[in-house]
Amino acid sequence: KQEVTQIPAALSVPEGENLVLNCSFTDSAIYNLQWFRQDPGKGLTSLLLIQSSQREQTSGRLNASLDKSSGRSTLYIAASQPGDSATYLCAASNSGGSNYKLTFGKGTLLTVNP
Amino acid sequence: GAVVSQHPSRVICKSGTSVKIECRSLDFQATTMFWYRQFPKQSLMLMATSNEGSKATYEQGVEKDKFLINHASLTLSTLTVTSAHPEDSSFYICSAPRAGVIGELFFGEGSRLTVL
Repeated sequence: KQEVTQIPAALSVPEGENLVLNCSFTDSAIYNLQWFRQDPGKGLTSLLLIQSSQREQTSGRLNASLDKSSGRSTLYIAASQPGDSATYLCAASNSGGSNYKLTFGKGTLLTVNP
Repeated sequence: GAVVSQHPSRVICKSGTSVKIECRSLDFQATTMFWYRQFPKQSLMLMATSNEGSKATYEQGVEKDKFLINHASLTLSTLTVTSAHPEDSSFYICSAPRAGVIGELFFGEGSRLTVL
């Protein structure tokens, strides 16, 4: 059974700092891995999707990496801004097709202070 | 991008009543939709997979008779919490992949259920 862990549970940084959020998964036979953003009381916004054959994906100030052999993914946020404050969730899928399901971590609550 | 809409966003009900939550894919068709439940500071837990035209598939430990799921069309799935109890109070989120596209899920805004 896939288990996803995110460290740290909470992170507070000053504006402008570069930061890394960590995600680990127990079953390395993943189909893909996604990073999401969740604002308080809201749904999820997909940030980056990394297929199992990929090593990283980039979107603007965000860069996500994937190392299947070690069961780890990182989300790098450059030049953080107060608007980046949210909970960041990592989720792994172990299969595609009709059995496509995501296993989520508990998230990292990020606070970027002005 | 693809949009998934949930309604209502918030609902408060009395214990023992039933509550229906709707999940709609607005600009694409979804033969499958997923229903998640999220407790405060916890991860999203998959409750069930809703399949258009057939019965839903429930995850282990989820009561089928309590959480009724109907996927009546390619754009609508509903979750009905029957005989709600205070412990059913939670944040319910649906998601859908675009039909024929594997690998990315689009999430609704979630529905906050409070059972008094």
